Amino acid sequence: SAVISQKPSRDICQRGTSLTIQCQVDSQVTMMFWYRQQPGQSLTLIATANQGSEATYESGFVIDKFPISRPNLTFSTLTVSNMSPEDSSIYLCSVNLRSGANVLTFGAGSRLTVL
Amino acid sequence: AQRVTQPEKLLSVFKGAPVELKCNYSYSGSPELFWYVQYSRQRLQLLLRHISRESIKGFTADLNKGETSFHLKKPFAQEEDSAMYYCDNYKLTFGKGTLLTVNP
Repeated sequence: SAVISQKPSRDICQRGTSLTIQCQVDSQVTMMFWYRQQPGQSLTLIATANQGSEATYESGFVIDKFPISRPNLTFSTLTVSNMSPEDSSIYLCSVNLRSGANVLTFGAGSRLTVL
Repeated sequence: AQRVTQPEKLLSVFKGAPVELKCNYSYSGSPELFWYVQYSRQRLQLLLRHISRESIKGFTADLNKGETSFHLKKPFAQEEDSAMYYCDNYKLTFGKGTLLTVNP
């Protein structure tokens, strides 16, 4: 089965800085999804990263705060900008590897702590 | 609005006992429901989906449109079933998860 690699796996950052999380898939996929999982909470979809077009953001998430790049069919980045302690979360990349099956495969996640 | 509800945050059973993890959904269209599982120190992964009507690791889940439910069931729980379980209505709406602990 395909492998999804995320990095960094974890980081501790200072308030006001930005961090970029990378997601690499070892096969080409049409859509890549970015989720946030805040402490004790469920997964919340941030945006869908489309290759060749702007990401599609869910309600409550904006491009200025979470800019996303999708330069090709195997790679995407999510940047968490101007971080505050409320941004401390696990950020997960996922893809749909099974055409027509709508099954999500997840990366291991990036645990971000903002001081 | 779409919503998936898992009413139990924690569920503890003894090995060999039946287990049922509840999931209710609200969705105006046709739901596409999944159960995902996260074992300790592992990444989130698919357990089963309602379309395939399969049994995985002894777990089954039936979509009940009348009750808008997709409960996950296993007749005899095993210690290795201890994990976090999430119900999902494809991509958009994950439940808050239920932590299942199976005691020896």
